[in-house]
Amino acid sequence: EAGVTQSPTHLIKTRGQQATLRCSPISGHTSVYWYQQALGLGLQFLLWYDEGEERNRGNFPPRFSGRQFPNYSSELNVNALELEDSALYLCASTILRVRGEQFFGPGTRLTVL
Amino acid sequence: GQQLNQSPQSMFIQEGEDVSMNCTSSSIFNTWLWYKQDPGEGPVLLIALYKAGELTSNGRLTAQFGITRKDSFLNISASIPSDVGIYFCAGPPTGNQFYFGTGTSLTVIP
Repeated sequence: EAGVTQSPTHLIKTRGQQATLRCSPISGHTSVYWYQQALGLGLQFLLWYDEGEERNRGNFPPRFSGRQFPNYSSELNVNALELEDSALYLCASTILRVRGEQFFGPGTRLTVL
Repeated sequence: GQQLNQSPQSMFIQEGEDVSMNCTSSSIFNTWLWYKQDPGEGPVLLIALYKAGELTSNGRLTAQFGITRKDSFLNISASIPSDVGIYFCAGPPTGNQFYFGTGTSLTVIP
């Protein structure tokens, strides 16, 4: 069974540009979470999607947005990039109503120059 | 918001030693999860706990769900170099919002 996949692995952008990150959950998982992890820090919750709907978002500005597609894959968009957006962005999937364990992808390393 | 405090923040141990770390919450949890993260990679689920007082093992790892439901402990026996990484606790307090601990960085000296 394939795990959570994310693309691209690395992304380099300049300040003010927009970035799009993609995530494919484990087959059968309907819920996707996005986290930001700045270098040397913990995981900060960004967004939660379930069954195509945004269910919750963390304390991040509106320029962080996303969506979940009918096949449960998800996209994270970051507009008007700032230097402090440089981080590892992690996606996790879960079958929401069963136990609740989250399974993470390898992450996308976003660097803003 | 919800706070999960892990201690210690970092540990430097000799290979072969046992390791203990813990996580405390300001709220009652009905699930405790422990993850390990290698540098530049996504966290990997190690152990999941679902019942107060539950003690669960995964190889050399043992985790316990505290009876107050506000804490959890992770022990690693006979540490080896590949145990190096950051260990996170996590768990939903109520509903489906997940929170992660601040992390314990483990360094194993050969």
